[in-house]
Amino acid sequence: QVQLQESGPGLVKPSETLSLTCSVSDGSITTHYWNWIRQPADKKLEWIGRIHASGTTDFNPSLHSRVTMSLGTSKFSLQLASVTAADTAVYYCARGTTFGAGNWFDPWGQGTLVIVSS
Amino acid sequence: EIVLTQSPATLSLSPGERATLSCRASQSVNTYLAWYLQKPGQAPRLLIYDASNRATAVPARFSGSGSGTDFTLTISSLEPEDFAVYYCQQRKDWPLTFGGGTKVEIK
Repeated sequence: QVQLQESGPGLVKPSETLSLTCSVSDGSITTHYWNWIRQPADKKLEWIGRIHASGTTDFNPSLHSRVTMSLGTSKFSLQLASVTAADTAVYYCARGTTFGAGNWFDPWGQGTLVIVSS
Repeated sequence: EIVLTQSPATLSLSPGERATLSCRASQSVNTYLAWYLQKPGQAPRLLIYDASNRATAVPARFSGSGSGTDFTLTISSLEPEDFAVYYCQQRKDWPLTFGGGTKVEIK
């Protein structure tokens, strides 16, 4: 069973760039879609975007202008620029399924809390 | 953006009882709907996809139904480990969106 683990700073200053990495325990980085999803406290889960092993990306239009994703060896990364307090959330990474056009999420990482504050 | 509305927000039941959770979409999503379970301190887990298909290793007491705009997740007999938060998600249209969740708590 593949395992995902998020890592990165838990505190980011306003206007700076949030950077997170998701480590993937098996070799499936080369064959799936890889997603970032976030959940602010007491709010809905929000899909941020995804990157495919081929390098193609899809982003939520609400965040598109600020998001960058990249793929590495057994890991993938998220960068979110010009953050504000509204970007404070638990950030999850998740693998897209091999069915459903890759648009279901299984499994997920445990999540990492990122607080935006000066 | 397709908005998913889940009801009720909280469901108070006893172990062994039947749970019925609802997810309503703001426009048709055909059967492109999934359900996830999230236990406290854990990551969400895929339960049901394409409205009615159980994911790998999901017990048979979980079942999903519906199409178009109205969907139901049924837990036929609640086990202690089923008390958690359940989310629905659609893949009919971009961006992918989630419902606000239903918390199933012990009565």
